[in-house]
Amino acid sequence: GENVEQHPSTLSVQEGDSAVIKCTYSDSASNYFPWYKQELGKRPQLIIDIRSNVGEKKDQRIAVTLNKTAKHFSLHITETQPEDSAVYFCAASMTGNTGKLIFGQGTTLQVKP
Amino acid sequence: EPEVTQTPSHQVTQMGQEVILRCVPISNHLYFYWYRQILGQKVEFLVSFYNNEISEKSEIFDDQFSVERPDGSNFTLKIRSTKLEDSAMYFCASSETGFSNQPQHFGDGTRLSIL
Repeated sequence: GENVEQHPSTLSVQEGDSAVIKCTYSDSASNYFPWYKQELGKRPQLIIDIRSNVGEKKDQRIAVTLNKTAKHFSLHITETQPEDSAVYFCAASMTGNTGKLIFGQGTTLQVKP
Repeated sequence: EPEVTQTPSHQVTQMGQEVILRCVPISNHLYFYWYRQILGQKVEFLVSFYNNEISEKSEIFDDQFSVERPDGSNFTLKIRSTKLEDSAMYFCASSETGFSNQPQHFGDGTRLSIL
């Protein structure tokens, strides 16, 4: 069935370093891949998304890359700051018109000052 | 920036009781969703809703669950007879369209605790 695997489950970096979180998806019909940041007790907040007709997208310190052949996509955060500390979820949406998102298991990112 | 709003923020209910979780989606959005997140786990899709009917539902969304848009602004999730395992954070989300490439915006969630 539909599945999204996310790694690593936890990631600790020093402030200023880069962080990379990777996800793989099972359904080759997936065509939309958002990333959400969730701070403790708060809502998942959309931080960046990519569609299947694009290989890479950047927004300031955040970038997402997509490899459709390998069915994986990655979140890259450069020059990390303590406020980047949160749980990050990748998700995939399959073709069709329901918009259902399948989420990965989440990555807890800790940025040490 | 417009937001999805959810009430209540925390609901405590005895097992077997009915609960209704409420959501006000972003005003020009047409597609609505409920997701749940058990503590420490990933976000799971429950149901999508468009044009006053369910578009898709997951295996979690059994006969105990129902959704409704009682008026032009509210979107509700009802659990008829709650179980201990229904304890979770429930998120409402909305998007402008339901095509599988549109951003979904989440509310702050309702923490449901079943005793």
